[in-house]
Amino acid sequence: AQSVSQHNHHVILSEAASLELGCNYSYGGTVNLFWYVQYPGQHLQLLLKYFSGDPLVKGIKGFEAEFIKSKFSFNLRKPSVQWSDTAEYFCAVILYSGAGSYQLTFGKGTKLSVIP
Amino acid sequence: KAGVTQTPRYLIKTRGQQVTLSCSPISGHRSVSWYQQTPGQGLQFLFEYFSETQRNKGNFPGRFSGRQFSNSRSEMNVSTLELGDSALYLCASSGTPNTGELFFGEGSRLTVL
Repeated sequence: AQSVSQHNHHVILSEAASLELGCNYSYGGTVNLFWYVQYPGQHLQLLLKYFSGDPLVKGIKGFEAEFIKSKFSFNLRKPSVQWSDTAEYFCAVILYSGAGSYQLTFGKGTKLSVIP
Repeated sequence: KAGVTQTPRYLIKTRGQQVTLSCSPISGHRSVSWYQQTPGQGLQFLFEYFSETQRNKGNFPGRFSGRQFSNSRSEMNVSTLELGDSALYLCASSGTPNTGELFFGEGSRLTVL
């Protein structure tokens, strides 16, 4: 069964610090990868996605992620975090089943706290 | 465009009872998925519906069931509630088949006493 691992449960940074959140997946086939974000009191929303092509993908709010196939990784980065980036971040992998069905497998999430 | 709407937002039940949660997807979206979110297990896939058909189901007991109506609205039901069913139940809809681009609702927080 496929799985998604996020290395850090809770990350605390000061404003303007650089961010890198790790994500590794275990699945040998073609993967589509995602980062979702959940701001306090809000619903989960898509931050960025990778389907194919350039392994460096850019998302909203200055976030980017790099897909490294050889390392089964899809790490999330941001050069300079802001207090408003305080949220929980989820890495996800899509698994395609038969008859056009699919399911997303999520990592357990990383809470990011940014200190002003 | 209205987002995914889930009702009720909060509810409290006792062990042994059953509960029905409702989800209205974004207009035009035909795929609806349900997830259970808990602090210990994170987000776990429950099931996915498309055009009133359950296409995929996660590893949950048969007490968890769902359905989708012709207008794409979906309900999930949990029977014989257990304490461990306390969780945030999230519904997500998708308008682009099989891309994993999900639009989530704010969830229904179920507390089982």
